Amino acid sequence: NAGVTQTPKFRILKIGQSMTLQCTQDMNHNYMYWYRQDPGMGLKLIYYSVGAGITDKGEVPNGYNVSRSTTEDFPLRLELAAPSQTSVYFCASSFRQGGMDEQYFGPGTRLTVT
Amino acid sequence: LAKTTQPISMDSYEGQEVNITCSHNNIATNDYITWYQQFPSQGPRFIIQGYKTKVTNEVASLFIPADRKSSTLSLPRVSLSDTAVYYCLVGGPDNYGQNFVFGPGTRLSVLP
Repeated sequence: NAGVTQTPKFRILKIGQSMTLQCTQDMNHNYMYWYRQDPGMGLKLIYYSVGAGITDKGEVPNGYNVSRSTTEDFPLRLELAAPSQTSVYFCASSFRQGGMDEQYFGPGTRLTVT
Repeated sequence: LAKTTQPISMDSYEGQEVNITCSHNNIATNDYITWYQQFPSQGPRFIIQGYKTKVTNEVASLFIPADRKSSTLSLPRVSLSDTAVYYCLVGGPDNYGQNFVFGPGTRLSVLP
């Protein structure tokens, strides 16, 4: 099993550009999450999904959108990138709800908006 | 979600036992306590999870007193490779969305 994979590993965007961060898991987990981590800080939940077709907002959803058309994939869309979105983005998945179960994290995408 | 409080940083020497305590005064009845480890430029990695009393696995022990208002992660005989940030997370089936957050964690530095 590859676990949770994320692409790209690095990306530089100009202000106002858009992009999609890809996340795929091969563990047949229903629960998937997107976090962002700013330097020296903890992780903040952006969006989460409890299954295909079901998504909901986390703590910091503004400026982002998600979709979950399959169990395996959970892409994160950034529209009109802003410098405040410079961060490291982690995707995660779990078998049960994240507070009760181990979350498996991807390697992260380091995004810089200039 | 129960707010958690951990020390910002700790130093230790190789071979010592390290105990990191997390306070979670308003933990709910259904909440679990989970600890993660994060190395630089990597995603967090699950270490251990517990509900009450003591849990032990091959890398750590988790001590939870009867009132569950705190928990202690114990790392036996640390090595340089245990230098990382450790996060305490409290949550259960009733926690989602805006209430599901990782705090700043405890930055452990293991010195030779």
